[in-house]
Amino acid sequence: AQTVTQSQPEMSVQEAETVTLSCTYDTSESDYYLFWYKQPPSRQMILVIRQEAYKQQNATENRFSVNFQKAAKSFSLKISDSQLGDAAMYFCAYTGTASKLTFGTGTRLQVTL
Amino acid sequence: DTGVSQDPRHKITKRGQNVTFRCDPISEHNRLYWYRQTLGQGPEFLTYFQNEAQLEKSRLLSDRFSAERPKGSFSTLEIQRTEQGDSAMYLCASTPPARRNNEQFFGPGTRLTVL
Repeated sequence: AQTVTQSQPEMSVQEAETVTLSCTYDTSESDYYLFWYKQPPSRQMILVIRQEAYKQQNATENRFSVNFQKAAKSFSLKISDSQLGDAAMYFCAYTGTASKLTFGTGTRLQVTL
Repeated sequence: DTGVSQDPRHKITKRGQNVTFRCDPISEHNRLYWYRQTLGQGPEFLTYFQNEAQLEKSRLLSDRFSAERPKGSFSTLEIQRTEQGDSAMYLCASTPPARRNNEQFFGPGTRLTVL
């Protein structure tokens, strides 16, 4: 079975600074996809960024980028120029041969002035 | 274009009662997923449909849980004889056909409290 581990229950970053959220996963599959989802307080979950395992190039979406280390099974999210609106729970998720998502336990990100 | 909608948003019930939740996916999304999220945890997969066919059920889905998607559009999740341990946020998500790297679009969830 696949597992996703987020070892940082909470992180804090000052506005305009950079923060990195960690995620590791375990799988025996060779073809899979990884995602970071954002869940703001009392709001629905939205996709931040996705990475296909077969792609060596790290995905980027504006201020969000990932560091995908396939051999180490690591998938961290870097948020640059942090904004107050980035405050939320962030979930790392995996999907492989099954189409369901397997989520980590989440990291709560606080953004301070 | 409306997103995934769920009804009700909140449900408070007494232990032993039955409850039913509804999910309306994005139009033309043929895959629909149910997840359960307890406080401080990530969502856990319950079941999913491709059109009207229920293709996978988690072991979390006990005999008291049943889900349907009769016409391949909206879906219902019923919990019979609710227990306090059923208290959670129930999330629905949908995705367009085919590719596994398709984003799953989530609804706002139904928060269930069992007293």
